[in-house]
Amino acid sequence: QQQVKQSPQSLIVQKGGISIINCAYENTAFDYFPWYQQFPGKGPALLIAIRPDVSEKKEGRFTISFNKSAKQFSLHIMDSQPGDSATYFCAADNSGNTGKLIFGQGTTLQVKP
Amino acid sequence: DTEVTQTPKHLVMGMTNKKSLKCEQHMGHRAMYWYKQKAKKPPELMFVYSYEKLSINESVPSRFSPECPNSSLLNLHLHALQPEDSALYLCASSDPDRGFETQYFGPGTRLLVL
Repeated sequence: QQQVKQSPQSLIVQKGGISIINCAYENTAFDYFPWYQQFPGKGPALLIAIRPDVSEKKEGRFTISFNKSAKQFSLHIMDSQPGDSATYFCAADNSGNTGKLIFGQGTTLQVKP
Repeated sequence: DTEVTQTPKHLVMGMTNKKSLKCEQHMGHRAMYWYKQKAKKPPELMFVYSYEKLSINESVPSRFSPECPNSSLLNLHLHALQPEDSALYLCASSDPDRGFETQYFGPGTRLLVL
């Protein structure tokens, strides 16, 4: 019940296309859902995050869509660029608890020029 | 400033060595974390310090010993490691007064155990 399932494992998108990564969770106590971006040799960096009281959050080219009833959330990268090529991790947390993030398994995104 | 710094960037050690990893943040965060990350895998939580007290130990072997000397510093002492301990070790921090929410990660220490 503590798992966060992420798909796909890898994704290849042409420059200018839309990249979509999906995550699903089971624990309804989760109330904070961040996405982290990690470049090779670097630590993960927070990209965007959402709480269940909204269904969508947009920051620039990055959008999180959240479906509380389905217990699913997804990251959409519009106008994907080669610089977006990285590994993306979704995560979930029961905020106010311990800060123990439950990570998805990650998606390696390659954006081809 | 949302920077978490880690030293060293790279570390090679033998199985009989003793070494330490260091992490520092100046964001006023009172929660600090150690993670281990293997290639192509998500970060795996090892320890959490909250208000300088160890709050979570994810059943980590005793050859890893964390220490939080003050609210800005976090150390990870390494002793008698095994080759399978080779990994990227990440430090992170967050603000427990804001429900822990956003964790800021450092660049990591790449550890190789020979």
